Amino acid sequence: EIVLTQSPTTTAASPGEKVTITCLASSSVSNMYWYQQKSGASPKLLIYSTSSLASGVPDRFSGSGSGTSYSLTINTMEAEDAATYYCQQWSSNPLTFGSGTKLEIK
Amino acid sequence: QVQLQQSGAELVKPGTSVKLSCKASGYTFTSNHMNWIKQTTGQGLEWIGIINPGSGGTSYNVKFKGKATLTVDKSSSTAFMQLSSLTPEDSAVYYCARRIPFGVGFDYWGQGVMVTVSS
Repeated sequence: EIVLTQSPTTTAASPGEKVTITCLASSSVSNMYWYQQKSGASPKLLIYSTSSLASGVPDRFSGSGSGTSYSLTINTMEAEDAATYYCQQWSSNPLTFGSGTKLEIK
Repeated sequence: QVQLQQSGAELVKPGTSVKLSCKASGYTFTSNHMNWIKQTTGQGLEWIGIINPGSGGTSYNVKFKGKATLTVDKSSSTAFMQLSSLTPEDSAVYYCARRIPFGVGFDYWGQGVMVTVSS
């Protein structure tokens, strides 16, 4: 099973600040997916196939990476971005998720 | 618009089974594979398995084989997951989620259903 390790576990950012969340895979994966989950809500797809923006997602979100290292970047933090973020892979069975990064607004 | 409407919260006794439903609307049900995902505070998000609504073909996370059984009813555009031999460790929020056609992510999720296993 491929283990996805996210860092940081928790972080806080001021409005306008740039935020980067990292996802390290225990083995190489071909693509990474990113989700945002707000309290009490279902996860929402942000990024698919490593760097493609899902429909309706603001372009301040971006994804990059390859091999075992991937990242999600929020270019300018907004209050509505406070949430928990998860990475996900399915390059090999089983599909796995990272343990999450909680992002708070300062 | 695409919607996945899940059944309501369940309080069930240990050793019993429960069947959760996920009714799809707003798209052709057989066009996208349906997945089930478990969320707990301790274990985070865990993928349970996937079903092809067109063929009924399934694939499971080995961890959930024997625990979960995925089925569909094409006539009502509904996906089901039966969980058997329930223990307190099965207490969680369970989501159904539609696989995107161009990758292996999930673009639409149900609202989630809380299953509590307690005597």
